Order: sequence, then structure tokens, then C-alpha cells
Amino acid sequence: GESVGLHLPTLSVQEGDNSIINCAYSNSASDYFIWYKQESGKGPQFIIDIRSNMDKRQGQRVTVLLNKTVKHLSLQIAATQPGDSAVYFCAETSMNTGTASKLTFGTGTRLQVTL
Amino acid sequence: GAVVSQHPSWVICKSGTSVKIECRSLDFQATTMFWYRQFPKQSLMLMATSNEGSKATYEQGVEKDKFLINHASLTLSTLTVTSAHPEDSSFYICSAGGPTSGRANEQFFGPGTRLTVL
Repeated sequence: GESVGLHLPTLSVQEGDNSIINCAYSNSASDYFIWYKQESGKGPQFIIDIRSNMDKRQGQRVTVLLNKTVKHLSLQIAATQPGDSAVYFCAETSMNTGTASKLTFGTGTRLQVTL
Repeated sequence: GAVVSQHPSWVICKSGTSVKIECRSLDFQATTMFWYRQFPKQSLMLMATSNEGSKATYEQGVEKDKFLINHASLTLSTLTVTSAHPEDSSFYICSAGGPTSGRANEQFFGPGTRLTVL
């Protein structure tokens, strides 16, 4: 599959508020999903992942929700900080045992944290 | 652990020349490496997947004769952009995965290489 981003939606939140970033994925056969953070001029950084046998997973200040019925992912960031400002991408794939599989990236959302 | 590096971090070249970008896994064996291209304000687009010792598998629409990929060792893959033109200017990102990374099903991303073709 391919993901082509023609524009980058922006979410502005105030420091200390919670952020919710949404993503619609395309392949119903995908069973592994990852959220990445990308700062300007850098490569993607892993944030959190979730497998299709789960609908929620929590990390430190982040929570990922998966709704397979409507093929929707969300990333929730609690108490958003200025350092959270970046572009966030979801990615989907099918897991192969013992090997990395190719990822299909979503369009991305730019998160701007205002003081 | 699971660190991936790229070299160079940025490069400027003249139209018609070739440019080689290196991707290295520093602390694990990368049995699989991926090359992505990212245009400004856009998402990452997979160009090709390479397995060590095998020919790369290119995504639809990616010219294999223009984007030469070599994955000759378990720690190094190279992407050569041949006869580069201004439209090839982009941010090229590699990722690598392998069982010895500690997380066999995941891929770890390099910092990217900014290519500008004049």
C-alpha cells in the first residue's frame, strides 16, 4: 500500500492540555500499528505500538486506542509539553515472525504546543 | 541499542551527477533494510526493501535503475541516486530491522539524508 500526504493537518494545543491525534488506516489485514514522532530534519522516533488483538495500550504520558471496526487509531498525549511539538505519523503493517515488515505511513499531523 | 546511522546527513550536488547515501546499523545485524523518501510536508513513502545478500524489492513507480540499492553486509546498505535531477531533491530515510536488534519485528530509523540537486 501507499500513503500520499498532500497536506499536513495541524493540531494546536496549549501546554498542559491533553492532545488527541487521529489516524485512519487503510488495510484491514494490518495487525500491527505504530505511532512515530518526527522532529524537523530528523528521522521518525518510535513512540508506542499496538497489536490488533488489543484496543488500548498505555505508555508514559501516551495512550494508543485502536478501533478495528472503523479502522481508526488515535494517540493521546497527556499534559502536552513544548517538547512534544513535532509531526506525528501512524504506521500500519502485517507482522511476520522474526522479521521487520514494510510499513505504510499515514498522512501525519503536526502538533503545535502553545505556551 | 538498535541505532541506525546515515551518511551524509546532507548533500548538495549538480544535476546529472550521482550521489551515494549510506545506512548503517551500529549495534545489531540488519537482515532487512528499508529506504524511504519524504518530500516537504508529506509522509514517508517506501521506495524499496532490501534483504542482506539479495536484490532489493522496489515499490511500484520507483525506478530501480535510477535508485540503486546495495545491501552487501549485515550492517550496511547504500542507496545511489544516479543522474540526479532537481526533482530528486528530498529527504531520504533508511530503516533497519533484524533479530539481533532485540525487537525482531521492528525497524529502527536513521536520522535521514537531505539531498539537494541544483
